[in-house]
Amino acid sequence: DADVTQTPRNRITKTGKRIMLECSQTKGHDRMYWYRQDPGLGLQLIYYSFDVKDINKGEISDGYSVSRQAQAKFSLSLESAIPNQTALYFCATSPGEPYGTFFGPGTRLTVL
Amino acid sequence: GENVEQHPSTLSVQEGDSAVIKCTYSDSASNYFPWYKQELGKRPQLIIDIRSNVGEKKDQRIAVTLNKTAKHFSLHITETQPEDSAVYFCAASSHYGGSQGNLIFGKGTKLSVKP
Repeated sequence: DADVTQTPRNRITKTGKRIMLECSQTKGHDRMYWYRQDPGLGLQLIYYSFDVKDINKGEISDGYSVSRQAQAKFSLSLESAIPNQTALYFCATSPGEPYGTFFGPGTRLTVL
Repeated sequence: GENVEQHPSTLSVQEGDSAVIKCTYSDSASNYFPWYKQELGKRPQLIIDIRSNVGEKKDQRIAVTLNKTAKHFSLHITETQPEDSAVYFCAASSHYGGSQGNLIFGKGTKLSVKP
């Protein structure tokens, strides 16, 4: 089945380290997203991309950067991780409105 | 930009009762309203959605209603079962600042169904 995959699924790192989270999809969707989930705060949009040459900031982009390496790959980087970036990160895809957004399994990141 | 408010934040019901979760949105141009269910430790999954040209949609025990004039939409779950226990998120499409329909999510409702 077509799906969205994320690597790694869990990561523990230290303050100041550079971290990359990777996302791949076989759904054939043009739109890809990175969301952050904290308890009680729902899903907050970090960055989104409508195609390989299109990158846009979301609600909470400070401290993050992204790269859209191909239609099926979208990576999220934390240049210098800090403890308040400890969260659950979801990659997602969409064929565009008015259709749904489909989430990957998530990456649990802990910054010590 | 678009703002989505969701209530209540927690909801506890007895098995067999109904559950209702309500959301309001601010962008009058929003035209797509999905609902997601997230079980503990898992990804959010789309369970039902409604488009702005429809007032109500049903799928077995779940239904969604939309009132565009009042800018609110609701999720209704009837005959609740323990496996309905999860966090539910509403969302609305946003058209602010060229976002072209990106979803803005509510903060979630934790539903607990007691046997």
